[in-house]
Amino acid sequence: DAEITQSPRHKITETGRQVTLACHQTWNHNNMFWYRQDLGHGLRLIHYSYGVQDTNKGEVSDGYSVSRSNTEDLPLTLESAASSQTSVYFCASSSSGTTRGTQYFGPGTRLLVL
Amino acid sequence: AQKVTQAQTEISVVEKEDVTLDCVYETRDTTYYLFWYKQPPSGELVFLIRRNSFDEQNEISGRYSWNFQKSTSSFNFTITASQVVDSAVYFCALKAGGSQGNLIFGKGTKLSVKP
Repeated sequence: DAEITQSPRHKITETGRQVTLACHQTWNHNNMFWYRQDLGHGLRLIHYSYGVQDTNKGEVSDGYSVSRSNTEDLPLTLESAASSQTSVYFCASSSSGTTRGTQYFGPGTRLLVL
Repeated sequence: AQKVTQAQTEISVVEKEDVTLDCVYETRDTTYYLFWYKQPPSGELVFLIRRNSFDEQNEISGRYSWNFQKSTSSFNFTITASQVVDSAVYFCALKAGGSQGNLIFGKGTKLSVKP
């Protein structure tokens, strides 16, 4: 069955370190997204990609970067982790076809920045 | 601007009660899509339903039903005869801006169903 996976599921890091969160989908979806979820803010879009070599900034992109070298993966990098980036991170993917963009989510990564 | 408002932050009901979760949206687009997602205590986000702006028919799936009213810009979600397993945070979301528009989420409603 097609799926979307995230790794690691839990991560503890220190302020200033570079961290990369992986997202892999086997839906063959063109569109991939990264969100963060924080109490009181719901889900906020960090970065998104509509295809290979395409990346775009979302609502809360400062301090984050992504790259899309193939259809299946969209890794999220925190260049220099800050305590404000402690959050739960969700990856999602969607088709750009007739399903009109229903996003399916990965299981999430809990990140703690000390 | 696009916006989704879920005015109910938390709702608590007793098992077997019916409960309605409200969702009000704002968009100037004539073509848009509305979604509901469920986030149980385990944390994953589960897709429940998608409706497009041209289809105002209500939808029923088992104990779940959705009422879409363009006149009031609302897309409400009713759980009939609630069960403890329905306890979760429920998110309403809007997708506008064409086929590549992004999801705008409400802040969610936490539903607690007590035995």
